[in-house]
Amino acid sequence: GESVGLHLPTLSVQEGDNSIINCAYSNSASDYFIWYKQESGKGPQFIIDIRSNMDKRQGQRVTVLLNKTVKHLSLQIAATQPGDSAVYFCAELGDGNQFYFGTGTSLTVIP
Amino acid sequence: DTEVTQTPKHLVMGMTNKKSLKCEQHMGHRAMYWYKQKAKKPPELMFVYSYEKLSINESVPSRFSPECPNSSLLNLHLHALQPEDSALYLCASSQAPQGTWGYTFGSGTRLTVV
Repeated sequence: GESVGLHLPTLSVQEGDNSIINCAYSNSASDYFIWYKQESGKGPQFIIDIRSNMDKRQGQRVTVLLNKTVKHLSLQIAATQPGDSAVYFCAELGDGNQFYFGTGTSLTVIP
Repeated sequence: DTEVTQTPKHLVMGMTNKKSLKCEQHMGHRAMYWYKQKAKKPPELMFVYSYEKLSINESVPSRFSPECPNSSLLNLHLHALQPEDSALYLCASSQAPQGTWGYTFGSGTRLTVV
């Protein structure tokens, strides 16, 4: 499978601060990426996606940045809230049209 | 209905038991997936069904047997499992097999093999 990795396995932020979660991928031909959020006891939930013809995409309080030069993806969460505490996975669409998940970052929001 | 429903939510089974996990979606999605997730690890792809036909088997042991009776249902039959097979089993679906639509995941079945 593809190699998708995350720089930080855990991240703690104060409520109200911005969070940045990073992800590195290995396949320069990958053209579609998704960020998922997984809360305890639940399945992964789609947050935001981005295609390789874009370098930035914004959602509600979330922004994904894609740097194809260095094969790096990041998820920015504005004004982080306690409900944002979860594990965040980046996923890369591989050659076989299947998603490969990165290691995951556990985000803890401190009230 | 925009959900993927998995039953049961929890399952404890012995190594000689036979059990089945069930997954259902009514979104008209034509691709369905089984993933296995160990604690603190990312989901790992097991099987892909595309238009009710098995299209990908990621070298999964034969003690796991998938079945897609129709476009809304996906089963995973379990037989002679090992304790190391204990994990969260996730079902997902997508509009089309091409994958660029993203997946909708169920909440999973927490399986414990004793």
